[in-house]
Amino acid sequence: SYDLTQPPSVSVSPGQTASIPCSGYELGHKYVSWYQQRPGQSPVLLIYQDSKRPSGIPERFSGSNSGNTATLTISGAQPSDEADYFCQAWDTDTLYVFGAGTTVSVL
Amino acid sequence: QLQLQESGPGLVTPSETLSLTCTVSDGSVISSTYFWGWIRQPPGKGLQWIGNVYSGGNTYYNPSLKGRVTISVDTSKNLISLKLTSVTAADTAVYFCVRPTGNTDYHDSIPYPNYFDPWGQGTLVTVSS
Repeated sequence: SYDLTQPPSVSVSPGQTASIPCSGYELGHKYVSWYQQRPGQSPVLLIYQDSKRPSGIPERFSGSNSGNTATLTISGAQPSDEADYFCQAWDTDTLYVFGAGTTVSVL
Repeated sequence: QLQLQESGPGLVTPSETLSLTCTVSDGSVISSTYFWGWIRQPPGKGLQWIGNVYSGGNTYYNPSLKGRVTISVDTSKNLISLKLTSVTAADTAVYFCVRPTGNTDYHDSIPYPNYFDPWGQGTLVTVSS
């Protein structure tokens, strides 16, 4: 089966930059999406096709994907960015696969 | 703006069948090419894809759940249904209705849109006697 690995937690100071990695075998050959899930809410699409932002998503959220690692970057983190972040990709064996999620704390 | 709303019993007895529906508002369940799906999240855990339904009623499921899950579309009521049989405590989760969309990968001629947007608010189903 195909697995995506994320760190359980990331901390960032307000106004600083947070980077959330998502690693998987040859992940750079796949499209990666990212979702934000605030406490008690449903996931929201944040990034699709590695680096594209849906309308309404702030520009401080950006994505990249190369080699074995995709990265979600939050530039100028705000307290409202405290949430769980999940990466997701598609694989011929596992079909849709999600990372276990990273909890971002803005301290 | 497309919105999805799940509904169904919040408590299911072990070995029974979990049944949920998803109402599609501000849109239509049936378009020229439609995709709908279900994803679940056990309390405090990650996300698991359950399955998708496509135009014409074709369905494709997570192999780990195959045999227990059925997803269908009721065009007259504009809703999507999920049934999961022989449930156990391991099926306790928040169940989300989703729309698979975006670029499409293919495996065995089956289309798999890349990502999910939007998501319903989710409904918690607890399996307990």
